Amino acid sequence: KNEVEQSPQNLTAQEGEFITINCSYSVGISALHWLQQHPGGGIVSLFMLSSGKKKHGRLIATINIQEKHSSLHITASHPRDSAVYICAVPSNSGNTPLVFGKGTRLSVIA
Amino acid sequence: SQTIHQWPATLVQPVGSPLSLECTVEGTSNPNLYWYRQAAGRGLQLLFYSVGIGQISSEVPQNLSASRPQDRQFILSSKKLLLSDSGFYLCAWVLTGGYGYTFGSGTRLTVV
Repeated sequence: KNEVEQSPQNLTAQEGEFITINCSYSVGISALHWLQQHPGGGIVSLFMLSSGKKKHGRLIATINIQEKHSSLHITASHPRDSAVYICAVPSNSGNTPLVFGKGTRLSVIA
Repeated sequence: SQTIHQWPATLVQPVGSPLSLECTVEGTSNPNLYWYRQAAGRGLQLLFYSVGIGQISSEVPQNLSASRPQDRQFILSSKKLLLSDSGFYLCAWVLTGGYGYTFGSGTRLTVV
């Protein structure tokens, strides 16, 4: 079964800073998900990626399949980016239930 | 378009009361459906999954049950809630053989 490690657990940044959140997993996968959980609890899917890099606005997600590692970057961070960021991968190769990281709590201070 | 509806967004229930959370999917057929729970301070953990109508698999024994009465409907239930049932509940789906999961927005349950 896949094991997911996220780092850091908590992150405080000043507005405008470049932010990196890391995710490592133990079993080869078909795709990795990055999710955002707002203080109220609602989940928003940010990215699903299986190779390379994806960009959406100020968010960039990268994945290295060989190293079993993904990063989520936020450029020009803003207080509204404050949330918990979670990565998730299939529990085994193929179409299996997801295993979630414990999340990274980001606080961006104005 | 393919969407997933999960409600309610928040719920406060007394200990011992019943629970019913519903998740419905639109725009697809025969999805694999999942219920996850996030307890305080922990990551989301799989509770139940279903690959078809009436087919339910449970990951961990608990005070909860799940049912899939229709192809695109997944229900999480409890006959008597415990304080430890408090948490964030998330529904998700994916097509068999696919890897693009779609997530509900979640339900925050507080048992008092």
